[in-house]
Amino acid sequence: GAVVSQHPSRVICKSGTSVKIECRSLDFQATTMFWYRQFPKQSLMLMATSNEGSKATYEQGVEKDKFLINHASLTLSTLTVTSAHPEDSSFYICSAASQEKGYEQYFGPGTRLTVT
Amino acid sequence: GIQVEQSPPDLILQEGANSTLRCNFSDSVNNLQWFHQNPWGQLINLFYIPSGTKQNGRLSATTVATERYSLLYISSSQTTDSGVYFCAVLSFYNTDKLIFGTGTRLQVFP
Repeated sequence: GAVVSQHPSRVICKSGTSVKIECRSLDFQATTMFWYRQFPKQSLMLMATSNEGSKATYEQGVEKDKFLINHASLTLSTLTVTSAHPEDSSFYICSAASQEKGYEQYFGPGTRLTVT
Repeated sequence: GIQVEQSPPDLILQEGANSTLRCNFSDSVNNLQWFHQNPWGQLINLFYIPSGTKQNGRLSATTVATERYSLLYISSSQTTDSGVYFCAVLSFYNTDKLIFGTGTRLQVFP
């Protein structure tokens, strides 16, 4: 298999502040990382796709200035939720894929964000 | 875009029972994955199965790409099988992203 970690697992922040979530591939180099959001009792919705060293590609309806994604290395991608509001409260999940793993996506454990 | 529907949406079983979960997709796919999301939110890869049949312990999966469906079989279910099962596909026409199905929520009682 392949291991993907996320940090933090849970975060509570005040409205208007920014929060950074890290996603790391621990035992393989991820050429592509994906960020998803999941609301309670719903499916996963893709927010953006990032390739190492290039700008992220955002899905329609996702504000790129609000959800900043950086993929600076083959093992690390970060998602920063800027000026968070209560409606940004959600479960954020990252995944990683690589050619060596046949492009199968492996998922992190998720980060539960609560904005008060 | 491609639509991915799963059935049933909810399933309640007693320990030891067998079940079949279905995933229908509306267009050609390059690949299909099955996942189990445990009660803590972690997605666990079950199968990577664009076509054919695979087995792993009490679980097996079959994908018939020409008829646009996949089945996940769970035999002798255990309480630890509880959670949500998702299928996700890579569209033949857009191979960059997984499209997730609607999910099947499974509860297994002792």
